[in-house]
Parts: sequence; structure tokens; C-alpha cells
Amino acid sequence: NAGVTQTPKFQVLKTGQSMTLQCAQDMNHNSMYWYRQDPGMGLRLIYYSASEGTTDKGEVPNGYNVSRLNKREFSLRLESAAPSQTSVYFCASSGIAGRSYNEQFFGPGTRLTVL
Amino acid sequence: SQKIEQNSEALNIQEGKTATLTCNYTNYSPAYLQWYRQDPGRGPVFLLLIRENEKEKRKERLKVTFDTTLKQSLFHITASQPADSATYLCALRGINAGNMLTFGGGTRLMVKP
Repeated sequence: NAGVTQTPKFQVLKTGQSMTLQCAQDMNHNSMYWYRQDPGMGLRLIYYSASEGTTDKGEVPNGYNVSRLNKREFSLRLESAAPSQTSVYFCASSGIAGRSYNEQFFGPGTRLTVL
Repeated sequence: SQKIEQNSEALNIQEGKTATLTCNYTNYSPAYLQWYRQDPGRGPVFLLLIRENEKEKRKERLKVTFDTTLKQSLFHITASQPADSATYLCALRGINAGNMLTFGGGTRLMVKP
């Protein structure tokens, strides 16, 4: 099992460019999440998908959109990148059917720089 | 507003000693609390979960306590090793938060040989 995979690993964008970060999990998890991590700020939730077909805003959704393509894949799109979106982005998944308490499994991260 | 606070200063300890990290929260009704380890350049990795009605949980050299009166969790690593050097994150799930977690800022632990 690969767990949670993310592409790309690194990306440099110019202000105003768009891009999509891809995430996939092979653990049959119901829920998927996108976080950003900035120095001293910890992990902040951007968007999440509690189950296939649903998405909801997290703490910092402005400037982002998401798509839960199927149970395995959850993508994050930056329509018009801004320098304030320079960060490390982590995708995570959780939610094994029948369990009340679920840890999150994280991907390796995408390091994004917006110039 | 809801807050989860961890000591932002690095904790430096000598190999073999017990490391104790603190997680404090305000304005939360927690269902459970989790601790994660994060190494540089990598995603967080789950370590332990403790439920709101549990006082203590152990796993090998790790021990977590949860005091809902003090609104605090303590994370202990006994007989610490240089390989334990990493950033440790606490995360809370509120009672009505589904599977959503809110993370603290993390504390960096440095274990010196």
C-alpha cells in the first residue's frame, strides 16, 4: 500500500498562475483533508471531504477550491496564486468504517512557492 | 475563540531523560486528543489517541495524560533517544466536529547524546 500520495512534490508559480495539487489514498478511507503548514502556524485546515460527493470549508478556504473526484482522490486548486499562498500543503485521509475514533494519515507534502 | 497552544520554544534534553511536552486548549469540548510526530520535510505521523474520559494512555516509551479540568494534555517520552528528535503536534477533535482535527503549532524536541 502506498498510503497517501501527493503530486507534485515541489512547485514554483508566478503570481496569478493557476495549478492543481493532486492527492490519492489507497486505504479505502471515507474522509480526506487539505492542510497548509506555515512556520509557527501549525497545520491549518483548508477544505475537507467527509465522504465521497461532499466537500466543506475549513479554517482558511479563501483562494482555494477542491474536488473530491472519487473515493480515492481529492484535489486542491489555486485559481490565481498569490505570494501569501507560499506554504507546504499536506493532504490527509481518515475514516475506517465502523470505527468511532480515527487517526489521520498524511501525504509527504507539496512545497509551493509563489513569486 | 478556540485555541490549542503548544510551547513554541524547542525543548532540549539529554539522552536517557524523560521529555515532557504540553498541550493546552481553550473553548473546546473535546471528544478526543491525538499526538503526532513530524520529521523535517515529512508529513505528520500518528502516535497516540486519548479519549476525553481517559486519564492516561501508554504505548512503549510514550505516555499521554488528559486532564479536561485543567484543559491540558501532557506527552511524555521516557528514556529519550536522539532518534526521538522531531516536532510533536497535538490535535483535538471537538464533540461535534465529525472527523475534523484542529492542530496545535507543535513543539520541537531535541535529544542530545
